Parts: sequence; structure tokens; C-alpha cells
Amino acid sequence: AQSVTQPDIHITVSEGASLELRCNYSYGATPYLFWYVQSPGQGLQLLLKYFSGDTLVQGIKGFEAEFKRSQSSFNLRKPSVHWSDAAEYFCAVAQTGNQFYFGTGTSLTVIP
Amino acid sequence: GAVVSQHPSWVICKSGTSVKIECRSLDFQATTMFWYRQFPKQSLMLMATSNEGSKATYEQGVEKDKFLINHASLTLSTLTVTSAHPEDSSFYICSAPGTDQETQYFGPGTRLLVL
Repeated sequence: AQSVTQPDIHITVSEGASLELRCNYSYGATPYLFWYVQSPGQGLQLLLKYFSGDTLVQGIKGFEAEFKRSQSSFNLRKPSVHWSDAAEYFCAVAQTGNQFYFGTGTSLTVIP
Repeated sequence: GAVVSQHPSWVICKSGTSVKIECRSLDFQATTMFWYRQFPKQSLMLMATSNEGSKATYEQGVEKDKFLINHASLTLSTLTVTSAHPEDSSFYICSAPGTDQETQYFGPGTRLLVL
């Protein structure tokens, strides 16, 4: 069965510090991988996605993620966090056009 | 990029009434749309797949008679919560695959509060 695990429920970082959010998946085939961000009371905004090719993908707002097949991971990173990055982050896997399977989310708090 | 809208953005209703939520793809057509439900501080849970011109496909445990889905056109899907009860209070989000069929675009969500 497909599953997505985000081990960290909540992370707190200082502004300007680096960030890594973990995501592990279990999927029958090579999935499409996504990271979304959700601000309080808002919908989901796509940060980046991986379908194939270069395993290091760049997204919006200075985020990047690296697909590691051997570890079934797709961790999200940002070298320097801004206060506006405080939000809920969701990792998701999917097949083409099909429903997504979401992780439980990681809540990010940024300390000034 | 593709834009998906939802209406209303929030709604408060009395217990026992029905509430309709609209999901529209604004600049692209979507033969399939998805409806999710999100409880506070939890992840999104897929409720159903809305198919244009045919019946919706519901996930296990979702009452199809309670959550009526109609995909009336290639740009509109509606979710009607019938005889709403306080436990139906939640954040409902729809999504549609973009033209590349590989990326889902999410609506801003509808917050439902049933009193």
C-alpha cells in the first residue's frame, strides 16, 4: 500500500538558519513526488515536483528537494529560512492524474 | 499556472441543512477533480474522485449519500454536504490535474462550520 511519512510533526528554526524537512514514501512503482506548503486557513501551494531526471529539483521561494531512490526519500531543503516560511509543509506522492497520497505534514515555526 | 477556485471560502450553517461547495478550474478543463477533507492540524484525506459525465468514485468510509458530488461540466465540480452535522465541520479542498496531467492544482479550500 502507498504511504508517505513525514517523521517530524513540528520543527522550529531560527531565521537565517538552514532547514531540512524529511519525507519517506512507500510506493509500488516510481512515483511522482511533490512538496506543497499551506499557510493557515489557506489552500496548498506547489513548491516543487519530481517526475524524472535530475534528482535535485529546484522550486519556488528558494526551496530544493533531493530524490534518493535507495532511501525512498524526498527531503526538502532551504539554505536560509525567512520568517515568512512559517507554515505547514506536506509531502505527497502520486501517479499521473491520479489521487495524491499526502504525508501528515510538518509544521514549521521560525524564530526571529 | 493553472488556477482552481472554490466557493464559498467559508460557510456557517445550522445542523440538518445542506451546503453546496463549488470547485472551478478557471483557465483549463478538468475531466477529473478530487475532493479532500482536512481536519485541524491533520493532513488531507481524499474523499472522492469527481468524474465529468459519470458518477463519482468514493473512498472507503465516505458516505456517498451524504457527500453528493456532481461534475456538471469540464470546469465545475460541486460537493453537497447533505443534512450537515457538527462532525462534518472541516476544511474541504478540491484539486484538479493540470494540462500536463502530472501536477495537481488545489483550490484555496472551503471552511465549513456546522452549528
